[in-house]
Amino acid sequence: ETGVTQTPRHLVMGMTNKKSLKCEQHLGHNAMYWYKQSAKKPLELMFVYNFKEQTENNSVPSRFSPECPNSSHLFLHLHTLQPEDSALYLCASSQGGLAGGPVHNEQFFGPGTRLTVL
Amino acid sequence: DQQVKQNSPSLSVQEGRISILNCDYTNSMFDYFLWYKKYPAEGPTFLISISSIKDKNEDGRFTVFLNKSAKHLSLHIVPSQPGDSAVYFCAASAGAGNMLTFGGGTRLMVKP
Repeated sequence: ETGVTQTPRHLVMGMTNKKSLKCEQHLGHNAMYWYKQSAKKPLELMFVYNFKEQTENNSVPSRFSPECPNSSHLFLHLHTLQPEDSALYLCASSQGGLAGGPVHNEQFFGPGTRLTVL
Repeated sequence: DQQVKQNSPSLSVQEGRISILNCDYTNSMFDYFLWYKKYPAEGPTFLISISSIKDKNEDGRFTVFLNKSAKHLSLHIVPSQPGDSAVYFCAASAGAGNMLTFGGGTRLMVKP
């Protein structure tokens, strides 16, 4: 148990569906991340939020829409996805990330949501 | 273009022997390196890290070596145990902040 939870753990959706992935961290961190892990590819950073503000959008298609209502919760809203979006979606959190914070921070990951788009 | 590469997708080692996992990087701005371990159906968990001002960091059975001139780092596990069987990812970051670039992972299998 890393203190980062993700729901659902598995999701199957059609290309016309709208769904949301949820992440919650209980570590008091102020930075949260979404990663995508496709088969046989490195983890790809999608979005970064520092103190609820999005500080990184790694050229992610608009069919993925993140939301960070507070520093403990992070959502990834999905709509009109493609089969190639099927992957493991991982959420992570860390301390700091802004001026005045620790220089380097380990990220703590949730268990991921295994997404299948039909 | 992958800035962090793990060229061995898998490694098999006998229990009690040394496991050596390798990682190469291309970005000379990277100054902090981490290793994560991932079991099936779980997220990656932090294992050990090293700053570019060091060339070695040790934590129990795990030691990370950094060769900046070769842009290469390695993780040594001694002695290897069956519970070490997992996928190992190296990651790197540049400067202050929280952006990590990951390698593709190496699957380690430790046989009893």
